[in-house]
Amino acid sequence: QLQLQESGPGLVKPSETLSLTCTVSGGSISSSSYYWGWIRQSPGKGLEWIGSINYSGNTYYNPSLKSRLTISVDTSKNQFSLKLTSVTAADTAAYYCARHSGAGMWSDYWGRGTLVTVSS
Amino acid sequence: EIVLTQSPATLSLSPGERATLSCRASQSISTYLAWYQQKPGQAPRLLIYDASNRATGIPARFSGSGSGTDFTLTISSLEPEDFAVYYCQQPTPTFGGGTRVEIK
Repeated sequence: QLQLQESGPGLVKPSETLSLTCTVSGGSISSSSYYWGWIRQSPGKGLEWIGSINYSGNTYYNPSLKSRLTISVDTSKNQFSLKLTSVTAADTAAYYCARHSGAGMWSDYWGRGTLVTVSS
Repeated sequence: EIVLTQSPATLSLSPGERATLSCRASQSISTYLAWYQQKPGQAPRLLIYDASNRATGIPARFSGSGSGTDFTLTISSLEPEDFAVYYCQQPTPTFGGGTRVEIK
């Protein structure tokens, strides 16, 4: 059974960089059939797609976050990562990693999510 | 940029009733639409993909329909565990604003 697990600091100071890693187990991140993505949810709000990457490093990002965002993949560790620079309180959210399948890019496997709070 | 609009924002129903949720896209997305259920403190769960295909393990009371710009998620008879927030998603993959199904 495929599992995804987010890891990283739960507290980040304003203007600093938010860094998270998603570790994939029970399957290979190197399959050409999938993209791997990050999605966040501010407290009490809806879902916001952040960006996605495939095994060869092809990325596409939410235009509203693109200038601050880097997503990378490490196939040797079966992991992909998120870096978001210059964070503010508006970046406080639960961050989820997920696997995207098919042309419709539906997310069929999700991590449990990790809450990141931006505060001094 | 394709925008998804979900309606209603909140649906108040009793167990056993039928729920009909709507998702409208600002331009045609063929049948590339997915539906998710989210309960408090949990990650979303995929219910429907490609507009009408149930994901693995999803009960038959959940069904999806539509194509182009207008889509519907139907829950034929609400069970207590179905009271949750539902989101639609198009291939970007961006999401609609959600519909909360609450107990009346």
